[in-house]
Parts: sequence; structure tokens; C-alpha cells
Amino acid sequence: AQRVTQPEKLLSVFKGAPVELKCNYSYSGSPELFWYVQYSRQRLQLLLRHISRESIKGFTADLNKGETSFHLKKPFAQEEDSAMYYCALDRSNTGKLIFGQGTTLQVKP
Amino acid sequence: ETGVTQSPTHLIKTRGQQVTLRCSSQSGHNTVSWYQQALGQGPQFIFQYYREEENGRGNFPPRFSGLQFPNYSSELNVNALELDDSALYLCASSSRTSGGYNEQFFGPGTRLTVL
Repeated sequence: AQRVTQPEKLLSVFKGAPVELKCNYSYSGSPELFWYVQYSRQRLQLLLRHISRESIKGFTADLNKGETSFHLKKPFAQEEDSAMYYCALDRSNTGKLIFGQGTTLQVKP
Repeated sequence: ETGVTQSPTHLIKTRGQQVTLRCSSQSGHNTVSWYQQALGQGPQFIFQYYREEENGRGNFPPRFSGLQFPNYSSELNVNALELDDSALYLCASSSRTSGGYNEQFFGPGTRLTVL
């Protein structure tokens, strides 16, 4: 069965420290992977998708098919990065997302 | 351009009752997906509607049903409510083209509490 796993419920770092939010998936086909973010009192919004290969707000994520991972990274965390982050999988571009359980990122001053 | 809206914001029902949640899709979008998000969990796919037809369903029983209207707005209906149906219900709209699906835009959600 397709599954997305985010092993950390909470990641707490100091401002300026590097950040890596982990995401592993199980899917035998060619996945489309996304990171969504939800800031306090805001709605869920797309942060980045692997096919675009963009860097958004300093975040990047590389799809590693060998390790079935799509970790989200940022070299220097900012306080405004504090939010809930969800990794999501779309099988064969169907528009039906499978989400992980989410990781709360807390960036301390 | 108007974003995705959902109504009501909050709702309290008792076990066995029925509920209807509403979603207005973003202008230009023809696809609506519904998700259930239990406390402390990620959103879970319920079903998707494209051009007024159900276009895929997650692991939810038939008492979860939906509609999509010609203006692409949508309803989620849940019959015979159970305590475990208490959750945040999210609606997301997107546009489907020959190349696949574009970005999904989420609404603010409806918080359903079943007592």
C-alpha cells in the first residue's frame, strides 16, 4: 500500500541552524511528491513539488528513489519558518494526495 | 480571484445525525477533492469530483457521499454520524488539464464535532 512516513512529530532548532525534515514513501510507481506547509492560523498551502525543482523560501527537497525519500532542507532556519510541514504523495498524477502525519518545526530565537 | 471557501466553519452534531459541508472552488478550477484530518494526523483523502462525477475514492464507507455542481462547487454529506467522524474536513480545488493536475488550493476547513 502507498504510504508516506514523517518520523518526527516535532523538530526544534535554533535560528540560523540547518533544518532537515524527513519524509519517506512507499510506492512502486513513479511518484509525484510535495511538501505542504501550514503556518499558524493559515490554511494548508503548497511549499514545493519535486518536479519543479525549485527553491522556495530557501527550502529545497530532492527525490531519492533509491532510498524512497524526499527530505526537506534549509541551510539556515528563520523564526518565520515555524509551522507544520506535511509531505504528500500523488500516485501517477491523479490529484489524490496521500499525506504523512506532519512534522512541527519550531525555530527558537 | 477568489480562493477556496468552506462553510460552515464549525459544526456540532450528535451521533446518528446527518451533516452537509459545502465548498466553493477557486475560480477556473474544475476539480474538488475532500480530505478528513483527525486531530494530530495528516489529511486523509475521501474522494474527488471532476465535472460533477466522482473521480476516485479513498478508504471511506458509503455513508460519506458527495456532489459537485455545474459551477464546480461541491458538497460532502455524511450520514449516520459516528464519534470518530469528529475531524477537520478540508476541501481542495485544482484544475485538471490534458497534462494532469495543477496545484491544489485548500480551503480553511470545517471543524465537525460529533457528540
